[in-house]
Amino acid sequence: EPEVTQTPSHQVTQMGQEVILRCVPISNHLYFYWYRQILGQKVEFLVSFYNNEISEKSEIFDDQFSVERPDGSNFTLKIRSTKLEDSAMYFCASSSRTANTGELFFGEGSRLTVL
Amino acid sequence: QQQVKQSPQSLIVQKGGISIINCAYENTAFDYFPWYQQFPGKGPALLIAIRPDVSEKKEGRFTISFNKSAKQFSLHIMDSQPGDSATYFCAATNPETGANNLFFGTGTRLTVIP
Repeated sequence: EPEVTQTPSHQVTQMGQEVILRCVPISNHLYFYWYRQILGQKVEFLVSFYNNEISEKSEIFDDQFSVERPDGSNFTLKIRSTKLEDSAMYFCASSSRTANTGELFFGEGSRLTVL
Repeated sequence: QQQVKQSPQSLIVQKGGISIINCAYENTAFDYFPWYQQFPGKGPALLIAIRPDVSEKKEGRFTISFNKSAKQFSLHIMDSQPGDSATYFCAATNPETGANNLFFGTGTRLTVIP
């Protein structure tokens, strides 16, 4: 069964460092997403990506964040200068339709710890 | 107001019992209400979803009840099994803010005791 894969599963970084989280979405999907979940809190939308550009983003997704689909298979989230409050589980997801018409398939997450 | 309020935070049910998780919202623009199930160490997975023009949707042991006037919806798990032990999230989308932004509730950790 096709699945969304994420790497790394856990990354520890120092405050101010750049972090890149990587995702391989399901191959025939058209929509790609990043969500995050701070420990013990709800899952929050960061950004959606369609047709090689950002289609929607939340207030959380400020200038410190960027996304890229560099080679047609990977989908990356970059945090330019990490802060303590960026510590969270980051979930990549993909879908063949928009989130309000079909299922989002989530990866297992990348846990980011900022020290 | 883009919040979806979910209760209870945790729930313990005996095997064979009915698990009920409730969600409420304020924004009448919400037009799609999915439930996602998350097992430890895994990402959320879609369980069942409903639109506000339907009052109930059933898939196997899982039923969503939707009360548009009260702005509430709930997930019922009939004949709960230990394998149902997971965290359940309700969610909603608002077409005014985009078709891809799922607003999640805070989650309910369900434990089904054998």
